[in-house]
This record gives sequence, C-alpha cells and structure tokens, in this order.
Amino acid sequence: AQSVTQPDIHITVSEGASLELRCNYSYGATPYLFWYVQSPGQGLQLLLKYFSGDTLVQGIKGFEAEFKRSQSSFNLRKPSVPWSDAAEYFCAVGAPKGYLNTGFQKLVFGTGTRLLVSP
Amino acid sequence: DGGITQSPKYLFRKEGQNVTLSCEQNLNHDAMYWYRQDPGQGLRLIYYSQIVNDFQKGDIAEGYSVSREKKESFPLTVTSAQKNPTAFYLCASSPGQTTDTQYFGPGTRLTVL
Repeated sequence: AQSVTQPDIHITVSEGASLELRCNYSYGATPYLFWYVQSPGQGLQLLLKYFSGDTLVQGIKGFEAEFKRSQSSFNLRKPSVPWSDAAEYFCAVGAPKGYLNTGFQKLVFGTGTRLLVSP
Repeated sequence: DGGITQSPKYLFRKEGQNVTLSCEQNLNHDAMYWYRQDPGQGLRLIYYSQIVNDFQKGDIAEGYSVSREKKESFPLTVTSAQKNPTAFYLCASSPGQTTDTQYFGPGTRLTVL
C-alpha cells in the first residue's frame, strides 16, 4: 500500500522568498503524484500532477515539482512567494493500476504543510 | 460552469441526530468520493462510488452511509453511531479512469452541539 509523508507541519517564508515543500512517498513502483492547495475553509485545488515522462512538472500559479525516484520524493517549489500563497498544501499518491489493481484511483494524502508568508 | 457543489456550508447537529450532507457534480464524472478532514490528519476516505448504484467503504466508513442513485449525486449521511462527527467533510469526483485527477467541492463543516 502507498503512503505519503510531509515532514514539515508549518513553514514560514518571507514574501518574495523562494519555497520548497517536502513530500516523500512509499510505493513499490512508480506512483502517480499530486500536489493540492487548500485555503482556510475551502476545498482542495489541484496545483500539479505527475503520471510519467518528464520528472519536472509545471503547475498553476508558478509552482513546479520534481519527481526523484532515487529519493522517493516529489518536492514542491516556487521561486518567489506572494502573500496570497499562504495556505495548506497537501501531497497525495496514487497507484497506477488503481486501488487493489481494480483500475480505480484511490489517493492517499499526506497530513499537509501549512505555509505562512511574512511581510 | 461545471463543478462540484456541497451543501450546506455549515451544519450543526445535536447528539443522537442523523444528518445528510449533499454533494452534486455536473462534470459527468463516473466516480465520486467522500473524505473527512481533521486538523493534523490530512484527508481520510469515508466512501467511494465508481458507478451509479454501486459504492464501497473507504478507510473510516463506520457511522456513515451513502447512496448513489444518480450519476451526479452522492449524499453522505452521518448517523448517530458516528462517535466523533465534528469535522470538515469534502466531496470529490473524477472521470473514473486510472490516471484521472480528483476534483474537490468546497466542503461542509459539521459541528455537533
């Protein structure tokens, strides 16, 4: 079964500084990987996803993530963070053949990283 | 506009009462999901449905029930058997194929008084 670890519960960055949020996964083969963002009291919005191919994935709002098989990681990065990026970020992993090889996609989510942006 | 709607946004329940949370999608997606979110615990899967008239228990189904009579609707009932129902509930949907992305609704915050 797959699992996800987001080791940082909170991260604070200065407005305009760069950002990297860590995500480590456990899965026996190449997984499907996702990053979602959640503003307070809202649903989750997809930032980017990795299924196969180029290991550097570009997403919305200027975010990117790099899949590193050797490190079982899928870290999220952004070169310059505005105040409006303050939110909670979730990494999720899915299995290519789906849940119990049924083809149905079950996502396992990390516990999230709360990003605070200081002025 | 296509999307997922959840209602109500806030719901208050007295102990011992059943309540039903609504989830509707007009994306023509086959698969629908219910998640529970608690602080510091991420999202946990309650129930999912791959197709109309079929649904399966997720990781924390005890005290919950669902139905899938229409493709666009997947209501969740929180029963009095759920011992700690206060949480944020999120509904999601996906087209249903292996590689598909899940899209989320805005959520319902349930508080037991």
